[in-house]
Amino acid sequence: DADVTQTPRNRITKTGKRIMLECSQTKGHDRMYWYRQDPGLGLRLIYYSFDVKDINKGEISDGYSVSRQAQAKFSLSLESAIPNQTALYFCATSDPSGGREAFFGQGTRLTVV
Amino acid sequence: KNEVEQSPQNLTAQEGEFITINCSYSVGISALHWLQQHPGGGIVSLFMLSSGKKKHGRLIATINIQEKHSSLHITASHPRDSAVYICAVRGFYGGSQGNLIFGKGTKLSVKP
Repeated sequence: DADVTQTPRNRITKTGKRIMLECSQTKGHDRMYWYRQDPGLGLRLIYYSFDVKDINKGEISDGYSVSRQAQAKFSLSLESAIPNQTALYFCATSDPSGGREAFFGQGTRLTVV
Repeated sequence: KNEVEQSPQNLTAQEGEFITINCSYSVGISALHWLQQHPGGGIVSLFMLSSGKKKHGRLIATINIQEKHSSLHITASHPRDSAVYICAVRGFYGGSQGNLIFGKGTKLSVKP
């Protein structure tokens, strides 16, 4: 099993719908992140969490919300999806005691029509 | 100006060639990461380094902190090396300043 698992892997949804992307990890890391990737752009940080009670906005948090249900689970929600949220989304974890190497999920390809 | 610049953006090589991908950054960093993203989309970490040089198989990563520059080398390239290679840096401080800043990636295609 992968260390960081994202579901779903692919999703097509309609404008205005609420959608949740889920991420779970078996690394035992406290730090979890959500990024989006668009063609021609680097990965951009949406939200990050350093533990269950610590949630922080990244550079592009507008239109998104997150929930850290447990150390191992970090979900990203689009409350009312819009077409410019069509992108590849990645969840990642890191562990400060391990030098903060990053571990990424396989990505979720989201299309908003 | 982007804080992390990679060059080239695209690179096509013949199998067996020696390949170099460059990364320059403009901020003080605690570590630099090289990541690989295959056509299927998943991202894997290749190297994390803060000084000197690391080697894993045919891959070598170097960093020059004074010049704010890192290179990723692939020796004896193979078509399975075809992927997007991403440079990312982590700042010195805690909180948001300790998060990764990503380059836009270098798309490598190795022809047989």
